[in-house]
Amino acid sequence: AQSVTQLGSHVSVSEGALVLLRCNYSSSVPPYLFWYVQYPNQGLQLLLKYTSAATLVKGINGFEAEFKKSETSFHLTKPSAHMSDAAEYFCAVSQNTGGFKTIFGAGTRLFVKA
Amino acid sequence: DAGITQSPRHKVTETGTPVTLRCHQTENHRYMYWYRQDPGHGLRLIHYSYGVKDTDKGEVSDGYSVSRSKTEDFLLTLESATSSQTSVYFCAISELAVSSYNEQFFGPGTRLTVL
Repeated sequence: AQSVTQLGSHVSVSEGALVLLRCNYSSSVPPYLFWYVQYPNQGLQLLLKYTSAATLVKGINGFEAEFKKSETSFHLTKPSAHMSDAAEYFCAVSQNTGGFKTIFGAGTRLFVKA
Repeated sequence: DAGITQSPRHKVTETGTPVTLRCHQTENHRYMYWYRQDPGHGLRLIHYSYGVKDTDKGEVSDGYSVSRSKTEDFLLTLESATSSQTSVYFCAISELAVSSYNEQFFGPGTRLTVL
């Protein structure tokens, strides 16, 4: 069975500081991994996705994530936080097995301090 | 932006009443999904559809039913609403294509309050 664990329900950083949001997954077959972002009162938007083409994945708004199979991790990073990055971030995993269901983590809310 | 709308966007109802939420897409995507979002739980799949009249249960399907009579519409019905179904409901769509790897596009959500 698949599962996703996001470490830290809330993360607070200063503007200009490194953003690191942690995600660990469990999957019995090679997974597809995603990060989605949700701004207040909106639906989720895809930030980036891992599809086995490259372990370092670049997404929108300067975010990137690295797939580490040995650590079963897919952490999201951004070198310099901006106030507009304040949102909730969800890590998700899916497999190419019947139904194509996606399992979402519980989410991490990012606060950016001026 | 993917063409996904949800209606209503907000609804307050009373315990025991039936409620139907509608998701409409203009992308002609094959798969449609209903999720509920609750603090500390992320998004949990209620039901999904893989074609017209083809639906299946997700992890939290009790108390919910769905119907899909047209490609573009996916309805979620709470047969007899309970306070535990107070939540934000999101519809999502995806096209089963190798290049998309099941990337989902989400609607704006419906905030449902059951009193």
